Amino acid sequence: DAEITQSPRHKITETGRQVTLACHQTWNHNNMFWYRQDLGHGLRLIHYSYGVQDTNKGEVSDGYSVSRSNTEDLPLTLESAASSQTSVYFCASSESEREPIETQYFGPGTRLLVL
Amino acid sequence: RKEVEQDPGPFNVPEGATVAFNCTYSNSASQSFFWYRQDCRKEPKLLMSVYSSGNEDGRFTAQLNRASQYISLLIRDSKLSDSATYLCVVLGSARQLTFGSGTQLTVLP
Repeated sequence: DAEITQSPRHKITETGRQVTLACHQTWNHNNMFWYRQDLGHGLRLIHYSYGVQDTNKGEVSDGYSVSRSNTEDLPLTLESAASSQTSVYFCASSESEREPIETQYFGPGTRLLVL
Repeated sequence: RKEVEQDPGPFNVPEGATVAFNCTYSNSASQSFFWYRQDCRKEPKLLMSVYSSGNEDGRFTAQLNRASQYISLLIRDSKLSDSATYLCVVLGSARQLTFGSGTQLTVLP
């Protein structure tokens, strides 16, 4: 079955280290998104992509970067991890041609702790 | 002011009860509206879209009032399995989803 996966599921790192969170979907969706979820804030959009080689900044993009070299993957990189980036990170995808963009399918999430 | 505001709850209701959640949004240009459900420590999943005429899906009814910028979700005959956090979601003019922080529901036996 098609799916969206994230790895690692849990990560502990130290302040200043570079961290990359992986997101892989097998639906062949054009659109992919990264969100972070913190208590009291709901999900906030970090970066998104509408296709290969396309990337865009979201609401809370500072300190994060993404690249889209193929349809299936959108890795999220924290350039220099900060304690404020401790959060739960969700990747999502959607297919804008057959379904509206709002039907986003989420991965299981990555819990990141920055010490 | 947050773009999408919800009462965080928690709402604790007995099985079989009817419960209603409300949500307000600040951007009058918002195009589409949804309710997502999120179980504890899991990913959000689309519950239903919200249409101007109101729509129903089994025990769930969603309403939209564009004039008041207000969205609601009504759950009838609550089940234990309805316990979750319900996220109000708005699609803005930039084709991006904005999520409320969620309303927590616990259905008690």
